[in-house]
Amino acid sequence: AIRMTQSPSSFSASTGDRVTITCRASQGISSYLAWYQQKPGKAPKLLIYAASTLQSGVPSRFSGSGSGTDFTLTISCLQSEDFATYYCQQYYSYPVFGQGTRLEIK
Amino acid sequence: EVQLVESGGGLVKPGGSLRLSCAASGFTFSSYSMNWVRQAPGKGLEWVSSISSSSSYIYYADSVKGRFTISRDNAKNSLYLQMNSLRAEDTAVYYCARDLKPGAVAGTPFDYWGQGTLVTVSS
Repeated sequence: AIRMTQSPSSFSASTGDRVTITCRASQGISSYLAWYQQKPGKAPKLLIYAASTLQSGVPSRFSGSGSGTDFTLTISCLQSEDFATYYCQQYYSYPVFGQGTRLEIK
Repeated sequence: EVQLVESGGGLVKPGGSLRLSCAASGFTFSSYSMNWVRQAPGKGLEWVSSISSSSSYIYYADSVKGRFTISRDNAKNSLYLQMNSLRAEDTAVYYCARDLKPGAVAGTPFDYWGQGTLVTVSS
């Protein structure tokens, strides 16, 4: 089974910062990679799919890149509502999620 | 507006059974593959099962294969998950989620999610 590893597992940042989260697949998955945001007590929200396609309604400060095994999610200018947990997901084969990256306020 | 509303969660003893339902509205349910994803308390997301629009293709995670059964009723716009032989490690919030693209059999992310229903397996 494909394994997805995110880094870091958690970190702190300030409003206005530019942040990057990394996701690595244990084998090549082309661009079959999605990113989700989840806030406490809420369902996940799709942000990006096909590694770099922004889901409708998602602010343009979110962007994704990568293909093959290495992927990144970048938030260009953190807003207060962006503090949440982020998950990558591969859908090249049976869906597998990364372990999550918790983004906290510094 | 797309809505997915799960129900059927609750407290069940190890070895017991539970049937979850997901009522869909706001879209052509019969055109989309649907999925169940779970999240244990304080843990990450785990895909559980998927079913294609006409029920022709069904997939399960190894952790539930042989114990859980996914099904759907397109006439009732409903998705189901029959859970048997439940274990403590099945304790989680269970979400139903829609495929992003209609008609896909596999290989799409999930764009709409329900609010989840909590299943607790404990004696």
